[in-house]
Amino acid sequence: DAGVIQSPRHEVTEMGQEVTLRCKPISGHDYLFWYRQTMMRGLELLIYFNNNVPIDDSGMPEDRFSAKMPNASFSTLKIQPSEPRDSAVYFCASRRMPGGTQYFGPGTRLLVL
Amino acid sequence: GENVEQHPSTLSVQEGDSAVIKCTYSDSASNYFPWYKQELGKRPQLIIDIRSNVGEKKDQRIAVTLNKTAKHFSLHITETQPEDSAVYFCAASDTGNQFYFGTGTSLTVIP
Repeated sequence: DAGVIQSPRHEVTEMGQEVTLRCKPISGHDYLFWYRQTMMRGLELLIYFNNNVPIDDSGMPEDRFSAKMPNASFSTLKIQPSEPRDSAVYFCASRRMPGGTQYFGPGTRLLVL
Repeated sequence: GENVEQHPSTLSVQEGDSAVIKCTYSDSASNYFPWYKQELGKRPQLIIDIRSNVGEKKDQRIAVTLNKTAKHFSLHITETQPEDSAVYFCAASDTGNQFYFGTGTSLTVIP
């Protein structure tokens, strides 16, 4: 099993640009989570999906952030327009069922200049 | 919702000594408690977990204890080694969907 796959691994962009982060969960996992990690705020849950349906997006910081999961094997997190304070590591994670082990992807390190 | 508190935020130990990290949670419905280790620049990785029907679980030098009455659980690392240096996160989850993470403990093992 390849594990959770994220792309790109690193992204450097300028303020105002659109950023799209991608995630492929582990096959057979019904739950997908997007997290943001910074030194100041730690690991924050942004949004999670169950069977491709967004369940809780209360952690999405503002309307500039949006996430989709068009099918069971692909999800995107989009930031438009990006701001320097969005600079962070964004992790995608998946798990098979409630109470199951959650596995993290390698993360996308985003730097907004 | 659930609130997970983790202490200490930083911990330094001499190689060979033991390290203990403690977490408390607020929701009595939580029944799954994983611990993650995150090395610098890497992803969080599960190192051990415990469910509410068990009071203690051990895996080589790592053990986790759970006190449901007091709503706290702890990670114990014995015979620490330099490669144990990392940030450790606790988490709590009920039969719902979310993991609630602690704020992390930065462990440094001094050779």
